[in-house]
Amino acid sequence: EPEVTQTPSHQVTQMGQEVILRCVPISNHLYFYWYRQILGQKVEFLVSFYNNEISEKSEIFDDQFSVERPDGSNFTLKIRSTKLEDSAMYFCASSEARELLSNSPLHFGNGTRLTVT
Amino acid sequence: DQQVKQNSPSLSVQEGRISILNCDYTNSMFDYFLWYKKYPAEGPTFLISISSIKDKNEDGRFTVFLNKSAKHLSLHIVPSQPGDSAVYFCAASAPDDSWGKLQFGAGTQVVVTP
Repeated sequence: EPEVTQTPSHQVTQMGQEVILRCVPISNHLYFYWYRQILGQKVEFLVSFYNNEISEKSEIFDDQFSVERPDGSNFTLKIRSTKLEDSAMYFCASSEARELLSNSPLHFGNGTRLTVT
Repeated sequence: DQQVKQNSPSLSVQEGRISILNCDYTNSMFDYFLWYKKYPAEGPTFLISISSIKDKNEDGRFTVFLNKSAKHLSLHIVPSQPGDSAVYFCAASAPDDSWGKLQFGAGTQVVVTP
């Protein structure tokens, strides 16, 4: 079964450094998302992306964050200057269709654990 | 912003018995609800969903019930199997939200014992 793949599985970085988290969505999917889960907290929506532009972003997704689809397969999340509170598990997801239907739910990757020291 | 609540952080159930997971929501605009299952070191995996026009949806061992007046949904797993041991998340979306913007509950850790 096709799956969303994320790399790296674990990223350790120093505060103030830039990080890029990478995702390869399922190939025929057109809608892409980033979510994150801080340890012990809920899974939170960050951003949705379609047709090479952001559809919606949450309050968390400030100017330090950006997303890009640099080619036909990758979808990246960049954090320009990491803070301690950015430490979390970051999940990429994709979906085939615009409407959330039982045959087009969000498919999540296994996540990248980001640790900011 | 606790729009989706799962008040039971954990549930222990014997193999073969029914697991009932509960979820409450506060936003009356939510019109689509999903359950995801998550194993350690993996991402959430879609289980089952329900639209607000229905009150029940069934898929194999999994059934989701929706009570709109009570703003409550539940997931029933019958019979429970050891492989069902995981964290289960309830999630919801509203028509005003962009596609794929889900509000998640905090999750319920299910342990199925032999």
